[in-house]
Amino acid sequence: DTAVSQTPKYLVTQMGNDKSIKCEQNLGHDTMYWYKQDSKKFLKIMFSYNNKELIINETVPNRFSPKSPDKAHLNLHINSLELGDSAVYFCASSPSATEQFFGPGTRLTVL
Amino acid sequence: QQPVQSPQAVILREGEDAVINCSSSKALYSVHWYRQKHGEAPVFLMILLKGGEQKGHDKISASFNEKKQQSSLYLTASQLSYSGTYFCGTEPRYNQGGKLIFGQGTELSVKP
Repeated sequence: DTAVSQTPKYLVTQMGNDKSIKCEQNLGHDTMYWYKQDSKKFLKIMFSYNNKELIINETVPNRFSPKSPDKAHLNLHINSLELGDSAVYFCASSPSATEQFFGPGTRLTVL
Repeated sequence: QQPVQSPQAVILREGEDAVINCSSSKALYSVHWYRQKHGEAPVFLMILLKGGEQKGHDKISASFNEKKQQSSLYLTASQLSYSGTYFCGTEPRYNQGGKLIFGQGTELSVKP
């Protein structure tokens, strides 16, 4: 009965590879987000979708591409991974731009 | 622009009180407060929407001064479970839609 789930929890990969992170929420929320938290704990929004429509697209390299197949899922695909992409990526959802419920996070390590 | 939190870190004994401040240079629509324990996800504490609004959640409360673009989180009679990093998330008045800009965090440690 997990509210917001992410897979995988850990991801270790080589520079230049392509990887995806999946997120699912069973709360019936309309809005979903991707955040990046770096090693200094700085939490920065990357993207937001409302009912499968992209509404927030921050200054993020275009190697990052979100996809929302339906309003319960929001995936993040990253091409040509770089060392600086190492971070914890959090997915979150909210009913209508109010309180946000975060997933457990995916710790990405690029070697 | 990222809001500024102060202090950056605070150490308390159980039962002591603490105040964490969050200050923005932009006009705000709302302020959110979250707590993140080590290795876990941020957890929502409360949202403040209107100027001067105050809210409480158990022994944790917060205020929002819309004119000064500042919010404060008050933790009274702290418990060990209060330990973690506290983040304020600000929603700019003219750029809403749920976009939160988080402060750098305040690390709170409560000792027995």
